[in-house]
Amino acid sequence: QVQLVESGGGLVKPGGSLRLSCAASGFTFSDYYMSWIRQAPGKGLEWVSYISSSGSTIYYADSVKGRFTISRDNAKNSLYLQMNSLRAEDTAVYYCARRAAAVGPGHLDVWGKGTTVTVSS
Amino acid sequence: AIRMTQSPSSLSASTGDRVTITCRASQGISSYLAWYQQKPGKAPKLLIYAASTLQSGVPSRFSGSGSGTDFTLTISCLQSEDFATYYCQQYYSYPRYTFGQGTKLEIK
Repeated sequence: QVQLVESGGGLVKPGGSLRLSCAASGFTFSDYYMSWIRQAPGKGLEWVSYISSSGSTIYYADSVKGRFTISRDNAKNSLYLQMNSLRAEDTAVYYCARRAAAVGPGHLDVWGKGTTVTVSS
Repeated sequence: AIRMTQSPSSLSASTGDRVTITCRASQGISSYLAWYQQKPGKAPKLLIYAASTLQSGVPSRFSGSGSGTDFTLTISCLQSEDFATYYCQQYYSYPRYTFGQGTKLEIK
């Protein structure tokens, strides 16, 4: 079945780094645009980053620009988020999500279960 | 950035009730609106996209309407499994998605 599984979360000190991974299965990963979405404890959902199917087009939220890097390996059916210079406010559950196949704007139709990142000294 | 405002922020209801949640966009977004359901400790689940199209497998008691700036999610006959938090999301400014702040639906 269609599935996204995140990994790589954990406890890191302020200023530290983490690399999140998202393994895709059950669909042709290379056909889909992907995003990372996060949710701080007790808060709502915040879009973090987006990457096109080929990896040629990338966007970031202002809150992470210059610190986070999104990438993908279509041969490995995997999406990544390299997070550097982490701050306490980056503490959240991080979800990878698939953009629905569409011409033009598309919603997010498949989500992973999330991986927890805690930034604390 | 397009702001999405949901009302109410929380809602108490009983099984069998009909409930409506409203979402307002700070500018027109055509019908580029989705609704998600999230239960504690779980990922969001897509319910409705394009403002009114039911995602496959979602019960027909869920429905959505609206276009432009004002949208609604209606649950026609609440079931116990519907108590959750609901989020609207605009994708007009895709890929810079923005979400409403959420509506927590609780048992009365």
